[in-house]
Amino acid sequence: AQSVTQPDIHITVSEGASLELRCNYSYGATPYLFWYVQSPGQGLQLLLKYFSGDTLVQGIKGFEAEFKRSQSSFNLRKPSVHWSDAAEYFCAVGVSVGNEKLTFGTGTRLTIIP
Amino acid sequence: NAGVTQTPKFRILKIGQSMTLQCTQDMNHNYMYWYRQDPGMGLKLIYYSVGAGITDKGEVPNGYNVSRSTTEDFPLRLELAAPSQTSVYFCASSYSGTNEKLFFGSGTQLSVL
Repeated sequence: AQSVTQPDIHITVSEGASLELRCNYSYGATPYLFWYVQSPGQGLQLLLKYFSGDTLVQGIKGFEAEFKRSQSSFNLRKPSVHWSDAAEYFCAVGVSVGNEKLTFGTGTRLTIIP
Repeated sequence: NAGVTQTPKFRILKIGQSMTLQCTQDMNHNYMYWYRQDPGMGLKLIYYSVGAGITDKGEVPNGYNVSRSTTEDFPLRLELAAPSQTSVYFCASSYSGTNEKLFFGSGTQLSVL
């Protein structure tokens, strides 16, 4: 079975600074990888996903993520964060059989300071 | 376009009470899901449905029931509420079932006291 780890429970960055959120997965084959964002009081929204092809994936709101097979990682990055990026971020890993097998990480809470 | 709508947003139950969490989507999605989110944990799948009349258990189905009589609606039933069911519940839907984007509702915060 697949698994996903988000090592950082909480990250604080200054507005305008760069951001990298870590995600490591365990799966025997090439996984389907996702990043979702959950703003306070809201449901999750898909930021980006990787299935195959180019390992650098662009998403919404200026986010990108890079799939590194050798490191079993799918880290999320943003060059300059905005106060509105404060939220909880979830990495998820899926397998070929379907959404019901999607495994979510425990999340990283992002705080932005002025 | 409303997307996925969940009601209520908040609810407090006493132990042993029953309730139904409502979920409706207007995107004509065949696939619908119920997740629970506990503090410091990822989302856990409770039940899912691949179409009207078809439901199946997820990772944590005990204490819950679902039905899917229409494409739009996927209610989640708690029969005998227990403190362990205190959680935030999310309904989601997708057009297809294979690693497609999930559309989430805004959640129901449930406390069982």
